[in-house]
Amino acid sequence: QKEVEQDPGPLSVPEGAIVSLNCTYSNSAFQYFMWYRQYSRKGPELLMYTYSSGNKEDGRFTAQVDKSSKYISLFIRDSQPSDSATYLCAMSPGGFKTIFGAGTRLFVKA
Amino acid sequence: DAGVTQSPTHLIKTRGQQVTLRCSPKSGHDTVSWYQQALGQGPQFIFQYYEEEERQRGNFPDRFSGHQFPNYSSELNVNALLLGDSALYLCASGDRAPTGELFFGEGSRLTVL
Repeated sequence: QKEVEQDPGPLSVPEGAIVSLNCTYSNSAFQYFMWYRQYSRKGPELLMYTYSSGNKEDGRFTAQVDKSSKYISLFIRDSQPSDSATYLCAMSPGGFKTIFGAGTRLFVKA
Repeated sequence: DAGVTQSPTHLIKTRGQQVTLRCSPKSGHDTVSWYQQALGQGPQFIFQYYEEEERQRGNFPDRFSGHQFPNYSSELNVNALLLGDSALYLCASGDRAPTGELFFGEGSRLTVL
């Protein structure tokens, strides 16, 4: 079993839809939870960062962490074609060894 | 403010050869981590350098080695290349705080023939 499980998709939605992306994990030592966005042939860029459980909102993006269920989510409201990318969940117990999910490919159709 | 820069962007090698990839961290960052990303997969942690020493290492063989210089830049060396080493190699930098926030470069795409 992988430490971090993420459905690779692809996920295709119409423009304006609410997108829900999810990851589960098995290591209870994880304290830091991140979402990265990666466009084709580019390096990942940090979208959201959360410490421990709770919600965090930034514009159209909301990250949720439920440590009791070992489950994290990213919601994208009013999705745009420019949101089409691969979304990577990532987790760390601290320090710099970050464990990534496989990534979910998202397509937002105009 | 310069971000993380990597070189070369693309390179092709043959099996058995050796390769060196280079990385300059984001201004103000003193820690560099290297990741391997195979096609369709998430990045896999190779190792992390801080104060010119390897601090943490992932599940990679000794063929993968690195170095950090006094100016915080870093090199990743891979010896005896295998076909399976074909991947995007990503460098990420961060500050000393254990926040887990990483800033990635664009990567070096290695093809082994």
